[in-house]
Parts: sequence; C-alpha cells; structure tokens
Amino acid sequence: EAGVTQFPSHSVIEKGQTVTLRCDPISGHDNLYWYRRVMGKEIKFLLHFVKESKQDESGMPNNRFLAERTGGTYSTLKVQPAELEDSGVYFCASGPRTGRGSGNEQFFGPGTRLTVL
Amino acid sequence: DAKTTQPTSMDCAEGRAANLPCNHSTISGNEYVYWYRQIHSQGPQYIIHGLKNNETNEMASLIITEDRKSSTLILPHATLRDTAVYYCIVRVENSGATNKLIFGTGTLLAVQP
Repeated sequence: EAGVTQFPSHSVIEKGQTVTLRCDPISGHDNLYWYRRVMGKEIKFLLHFVKESKQDESGMPNNRFLAERTGGTYSTLKVQPAELEDSGVYFCASGPRTGRGSGNEQFFGPGTRLTVL
Repeated sequence: DAKTTQPTSMDCAEGRAANLPCNHSTISGNEYVYWYRQIHSQGPQYIIHGLKNNETNEMASLIITEDRKSSTLILPHATLRDTAVYYCIVRVENSGATNKLIFGTGTLLAVQP
C-alpha cells in the first residue's frame, strides 16, 4: 500500500512569489491534515479536512495560506505571497477515520521543505 | 500548547531496552496517550496509543500508570535505526472533534553502538 506522498520534496522561492504544495493521501483515507515545522520550532497543526470539507482550520497562520481538497482526494496548500517566515517543512498526514478507539492514527508524508529567500 | 512533559534527551545502548517517560498530569478521562517518533528528515511515524490499559504492538509497549498521570514507552531491543525524536501526545477521542496532534519538543533518543 502506497503511503502519503508530497510534492515537491524541496522548493526554493523568492519572497513575494507563490508556491503550491501537493499532498496525496493514502487511498481511502477521508481525513487529511497539514502541519508545518518552521526553523527551531515545534511541529504545528495547520488544518484538517474530512473529505473535501474543512473540519478545523484553526492553525492556519494568515490569509496568505489557502488549502483545498477538491473531490476529497489530493490536497493543495498554496502560499501567496510567500514571506521569509514561511520557510520550513510542511507535512501532510492522512487517517482512515475519527472517533473513539483505534484507527485514529495519522500517517505522515515525508514533507516538503520550503525555503523562501 | 502541549500538555505533556518529556526529558529533552536520552541515551540507550544498542540491544538494550529504551524506556522513555512522559508526564501528563492534567490528562482528562477521555484523552488517549499517543506516541509518535520522527527520524531525521522523515515525517512523524505513529508508534502506539492507549487509554488506561497497557498496550503492546510490533514496535513497542506502552505502560500507563493507574492514575494515568504518566506513561512510559518501551522499545524492547533498541537498534541504531531507533535513534529519533519521540513525541508523547494526549488527545481527545470524540466523534466530530478535531484530531489535531499537538507536538511538544519530544525526547531525542540516541541509541549508541
């Protein structure tokens, strides 16, 4: 079974440019999450999709970040315009279901390393 | 903010058991204890989780104290590939609630040859 994949693995852009990150979850997983780790900080939650709907977007830092999951399959995270402080590693995770008991684990992708110059 | 406290780092000899402690003194009755790890340059990896009973899987064992205020993750025979940052996370498990993970600073486990 293929794991969570993310594209690109690395991206280097200049301040003010736009970057779009893509995440392909494990097939059949309704839940999709975005996290990021900026330099020297802890991994922070950004948002959570259930299928195509945003369940929780409390971690999105500002309106320069836009996440979509059209059709409830893959997801994109767009940063426009990028700022220096957006540099870091962006992780995507997927999970089969939510609720009490087992099966709530999240499976992470390898991350996209974003560098804004 | 993370609701767990872990030591910053630990060492373990290869082949020996690694015992990683976690304090979660403010845990509530409906919160599970989850353990993840992050090996350098990879995404976090799920290890194990539990509510109040001890749990074991192919990767590790989880021992939760009776009062649930602390737990210990046990890697029975640590290998060099187990060198990673280990995160202890408490999380509510309710249908409809967000499942976001709140990562702290974790414990850097260094397995020594």
